[in-house]
Amino acid sequence: RKEVEQDPGPFNVPEGATVAFNCTYSNSASQSFFWYRQDCRKEPKLLMSVYSSGNEDGRFTAQLNRASQYISLLIRDSKLSDSATYLCVVNWGGKLIFGQGTELSVKP
Amino acid sequence: SQTIHQWPATLVQPVGSPLSLECTVEGTSNPNLYWYRQAAGRGLQLLFYSVGIGQISSEVPQNLSASRPQDRQFILSSKKLLLSDSGFYLCAWSVGQQETQYFGPGTRLLVL
Repeated sequence: RKEVEQDPGPFNVPEGATVAFNCTYSNSASQSFFWYRQDCRKEPKLLMSVYSSGNEDGRFTAQLNRASQYISLLIRDSKLSDSATYLCVVNWGGKLIFGQGTELSVKP
Repeated sequence: SQTIHQWPATLVQPVGSPLSLECTVEGTSNPNLYWYRQAAGRGLQLLFYSVGIGQISSEVPQNLSASRPQDRQFILSSKKLLLSDSGFYLCAWSVGQQETQYFGPGTRLLVL
């Protein structure tokens, strides 16, 4: 079993759509959680940290369920500029473990 | 503000040649530093991390090595490159081990 698993994608959605990404992690001792965004041939950039109480940043909402070892990212009112690969990331013992990423393509 | 630099941006090297990639961080002291590799179509793999000058931890046995000669400088090296060393090499820094990691622009390496 992979340490961090994500929806395989790709997700092709029209502008304005709501899209949800799911992620599960295997190590219950994982200590912090993030969503990163990676544009084609670029470095990953932090999108948002994920907190147990859930957190929102504009159109983006992240949720964490420690009991189920499950993380989600919801993007509302998708924009063309949201097209990228979204990486679910878990920090365990100071090391980031990355999911394979889910590709999102937002179409006009 | 903190910035992280990597060079070169791209590199094409023959099999068996040496490698030296450099990463420097500005605007912070005593950062944790990391080297990752992303092979084509695959996720990021942690190669090395360092919590201080001269302190290197290796995550994956291979023909690569890392060094930290100065507080904000992290170098990835190889004496003889293999075809399988091709990939996108990313350096990252963080304030502490549980903190967010920030990535440099990366070096795209092609070994022929």
